[in-house]
Amino acid sequence: DAGVIQSPRHEVTEMGQEVTLRCKPISGHDYLFWYRQTMMRGLELLIYFNNNVPIDDSGMPEDRFSAKMPNASFSTLKIQPSEPRDSAVYFCASSVRRGNYYNEQFFGPGTRLTVL
Amino acid sequence: RKEVEQDPGPFNVPEGATVAFNCTYSNSASQSFFWYRQDCRKEPKLLMSVYSSGNEDGRFTAQLNRASQYISLLIRDSKLSDSATYLCVVNSMDTGRRALTFGSGTRLQVQP
Repeated sequence: DAGVIQSPRHEVTEMGQEVTLRCKPISGHDYLFWYRQTMMRGLELLIYFNNNVPIDDSGMPEDRFSAKMPNASFSTLKIQPSEPRDSAVYFCASSVRRGNYYNEQFFGPGTRLTVL
Repeated sequence: RKEVEQDPGPFNVPEGATVAFNCTYSNSASQSFFWYRQDCRKEPKLLMSVYSSGNEDGRFTAQLNRASQYISLLIRDSKLSDSATYLCVVNSMDTGRRALTFGSGTRLQVQP
């Protein structure tokens, strides 16, 4: 089975440009998470969805960031306009609920974003 | 105070050594605990869950101390392939959130 798929794997853009990151979760998983990882701040949760509905977006840094999940197999994270401080690795992860226990999250390979 | 705190390391150990990492968490309502491993320039992957009674998986042993709010990971007979960053991960269900909080990670370098 394919794991979590992210695209692009690398993105280099100029400040002010719009950036769109894409994610396909594992089939059958009902939770999808977007994370950002930097050396300074580590791995930070940006937003997560359950059954395509955004549940918690308190980690989204500011209005320049937006995320959507139009269906169970696709999500996007958009940055508009991008700034150099947005440079980071962005991970998408998915998981499936089993009872009340928290379950393993499966991460995609990440998108390495560089904003010049 | 960070919700999950780890010693960033790096821990430099020779092959065959035993090494232990500790992690503390601030939310006493936390219910699920994990260790993830992240190789350089790769995504995090689950290493093992941490159960109240402690659990072992081959050379790896995880312990949970709820009273002191810390989690530990012990690696015996270290291999070169164990070199990675180990992330302590906690889930707190009191807010109803099903998200995980990741520590900043402890870097391990096993030397030949």
